[in-house]
Amino acid sequence: QTVVTQEPSFSVSPGGTVTLTCGLSYGSVSTNYYPSWYQQTPGQAPRTLIYNTNTRSSGVPDRFSGSILGNKAALTITGAQAEDDSHYYCLLYLGSDIWVFGGGTKLTVL
Amino acid sequence: QVQLVESGGGVVQPGRSLRLSCAASGFTFSGHGMHWVRQAPGKGLEWVAVIWYDGSKTNCADSMKGRCTVSRDDSKSTLYLQINSLRVEDTAVYYCARDPSHTIDYWGQGTLVTVSS
Repeated sequence: QTVVTQEPSFSVSPGGTVTLTCGLSYGSVSTNYYPSWYQQTPGQAPRTLIYNTNTRSSGVPDRFSGSILGNKAALTITGAQAEDDSHYYCLLYLGSDIWVFGGGTKLTVL
Repeated sequence: QVQLVESGGGVVQPGRSLRLSCAASGFTFSGHGMHWVRQAPGKGLEWVAVIWYDGSKTNCADSMKGRCTVSRDDSKSTLYLQINSLRVEDTAVYYCARDPSHTIDYWGQGTLVTVSS
């Protein structure tokens, strides 16, 4: 069974830069997996930040960017703000009409 | 603007069936694949099911295989998810979501399904 891996937790200082990653239990993530990133605060629906590797969703600040770094998909927040303190999930398309979310990363801004 | 509004959640006994609906507006519904995603209390997101833009293909996650049917009515711009033989572990908030191309871009607010006797 394929597992999508994310760091369970991360912390960043206000104004700092942080890169969250999304990998596979086997192999490398490429654009062919259409990696996407979502932010979720408790009690709220997920919010789309990035889809198809690096397309920023409407209204998302440009401090959020997506890329492929090495063998993983990456979400970089440049100039973190207090409101970025949240959970972040990645989503990968594995082919054959199967998608899998990563376990999520809890980002703390302090 | 794109809007997705789920309904049909509630408290259901184990072994029963439930059909969730998702009313879409603000975009050409018939031009998009659609997904269902769920989130158990205190847990992460779990992909549940997909239906292609033309309804020609559907698929459910292994955890739902054999119990899950996803369908759509383009004349009503509505997406459906039927879950049979409900289990306690199906308790979750169920979200519908739009697919722009092999991923998810817009989400509904979700509907809570509680499976309990």
